[in-house]
Amino acid sequence: NAGVTQTPKFQVLKTGQSMTLQCAQDMNHEYMSWYRQDPGMGLRLIHYSVGAGITDQGEVPNGYNVSRSTTEDFPLRLLSAAPSQTSVYFCASSYLQGSTDTQYFGPGTRLTVL
Amino acid sequence: GDSVTQMEGPVTLSEEAFLTINCTYTATGYPSLFWYVQYPGEGLQLLLKATKADDKGSNKGFEATYRKETTSFHLEKGSVQVSDSAVYFCALSDRTNAGKSTFGDGTTLTVKP
Repeated sequence: NAGVTQTPKFQVLKTGQSMTLQCAQDMNHEYMSWYRQDPGMGLRLIHYSVGAGITDQGEVPNGYNVSRSTTEDFPLRLLSAAPSQTSVYFCASSYLQGSTDTQYFGPGTRLTVL
Repeated sequence: GDSVTQMEGPVTLSEEAFLTINCTYTATGYPSLFWYVQYPGEGLQLLLKATKADDKGSNKGFEATYRKETTSFHLEKGSVQVSDSAVYFCALSDRTNAGKSTFGDGTTLTVKP
């Protein structure tokens, strides 16, 4: 299994540009999530999905869109990039084992917005 | 809402020293508790977990015990190595919040030879 994969690993954008961060998992997990990691702020949830066709907002959803047309893929779209979106983005997937939900993370995408 | 508070870092230790990283939580339900580790340039990976009160999670010499009475899940290791240098995150999740774990801010550990 490849686990959770993310592309690209690094990206530089100019203010106002749009782009899509790709995330895929091959573990047939029902839950997928996007987090951003900023220095001293831990991980903050952007959007998440509880299954194909179902998404919801997290703590910091503004400026981002998601969709989940398949179980495997969960892309994150930046509509109009801003310098405040400079961050490291992590995708994660998980499933419930009993009442426990353990997340599996991708390697991250390091995004710089100029 | 749920929250996780970790001791502030960074933490710098000499090799073979004893490590404690404190973690306390607030939760409306009965969560599972986790420690994740992030090595430089990588994503987070599960270090250990505990799913009910008094459970002890352990892995690679690290341990943490789920203390419901003190709402704590402190990470310990008896003798750290240089290779343990990383960022450690305490987290919680429960069945009603699957897919959206709550994380602490992370504690950076540096171990010097």
